[in-house]
Amino acid sequence: DTEVTQTPKHLVMGMTNKKSLKCEQHMGHRAMYWYKQKAKKPPELMFVYSYEKLSINESVPSRFSPECPNSSLLNLHLHALQPEDSALYLCASGPFGGETQYFGPGTRLLVL
Amino acid sequence: AQTVTQSQPEMSVQEAETVTLSCTYDTSESDYYLFWYKQPPSRQMILVIRQEAYKQQNATENRFSVNFQKAAKSFSLKISDSQLGDAAMYFCAYREAETGANSKLTFGKGITLSVRP
Repeated sequence: DTEVTQTPKHLVMGMTNKKSLKCEQHMGHRAMYWYKQKAKKPPELMFVYSYEKLSINESVPSRFSPECPNSSLLNLHLHALQPEDSALYLCASGPFGGETQYFGPGTRLLVL
Repeated sequence: AQTVTQSQPEMSVQEAETVTLSCTYDTSESDYYLFWYKQPPSRQMILVIRQEAYKQQNATENRFSVNFQKAAKSFSLKISDSQLGDAAMYFCAYREAETGANSKLTFGKGITLSVRP
């Protein structure tokens, strides 16, 4: 089973709201990733977690706050976002030291 | 830094025909992985095929095969017997072999493939 799930599928929020995106995998992967993708563009890496510890932050603004509560779950907390943050947010996971990343279906975020 | 180039922004193929999507990359590493991901309108990124650089044999997955030319740093994807469901954006991606979990994927800009019935 190579399934990564993400909730919600769609999210509309105002610039003063606080919301969270959730990602879950049950493949025993110990590396998890958040990507941001604009339409017709490749995904851009935001964060990498290895064994539940943040290992890469690609200079993402602090209004995005990741969290990895356990080895199966990855959250992305959103606060005071800007309209330009509207995008598809993809979660991926992969085995530690493995080469392949498996993506979830994404959350389409619209910031008004 | 590694770069991945997909120079064709769009391609079109007749249903049941064969199409080849091009990808070139630049790296000074000798060991790495290459991938093709498919992203249909639903926008789920789906792994199509992967290639280990140390393997000379080209990877195949059913109707999908690659032509991996390591010296030329070329990694093209051939889709045989094209189907309407193959219509999607296709991304070529590169990853170094020795970066462990901090495995950054470097993506090309993508190519939009349309399939004519």
